[in-house]
Amino acid sequence: QSVLTQPPSLSGAPGQRVTISCTGSSSNIGAGYDVHWYQQLPGTAPKLLIYGNSNRPSGVPDRFSGSKSGTSASLAITGLQTEDEADYYCQSYDTSLGVHWVFGGGTKLTVL
Amino acid sequence: EVQLVESGGGLVQPGGSLKLSCAASGFSFSSYEMNWVRQAPGKGLEWLSYMSGSGASIYYADSVKGRFTISRDNAKNSLYLQMTSLRAEDTAVYYCAREGDDTLLYMDYWGQGTLVTVSS
Repeated sequence: QSVLTQPPSLSGAPGQRVTISCTGSSSNIGAGYDVHWYQQLPGTAPKLLIYGNSNRPSGVPDRFSGSKSGTSASLAITGLQTEDEADYYCQSYDTSLGVHWVFGGGTKLTVL
Repeated sequence: EVQLVESGGGLVQPGGSLKLSCAASGFSFSSYEMNWVRQAPGKGLEWLSYMSGSGASIYYADSVKGRFTISRDNAKNSLYLQMTSLRAEDTAVYYCAREGDDTLLYMDYWGQGTLVTVSS
């Protein structure tokens, strides 16, 4: 059971807009810690996609955007492309005993 | 170019030990905090351990505390993870990841991973 909750799967057609939710609690996102997003293409290592809730590293297309509100965050992908088919993970920090850096369970995005 | 290259994975029997290495290049290694993260087959990401640039601060996830030890050699630009008392559930791809910002707490660069299989 992951500390951050994401939908296990999502799908969309090319060109569409999809959003992936990430729900936390008062000990992580709700405590004011930033949310970050990673993209993991099949068979590869995770890659930073969004940091600090809404910032894109150099090279990440502006089709990807992030937001945070209360105890939740979301990743939006507009103009969906076939190469966006991947697993997406949210990550934050948690102050509960025994945990520090926490991840969501991941969302598998299928581009139909 | 920032590069992180893990090595040391392999097949180990339950109860055995293994030491993973992560060779860093392309940045001032001693200035950055580092993490180990693992991914069991078909599963999500799990943070395991953190070490500050100087080595003075160390954190572990409960799942590995007392069994795994993180260390680094800044002269060799290397990060290590000593794993003992290995269990079947430790089977995973192990990644080292650089901490991108010590206030925002995210990982900006990841290695390609090394597979650890715990089985008899």
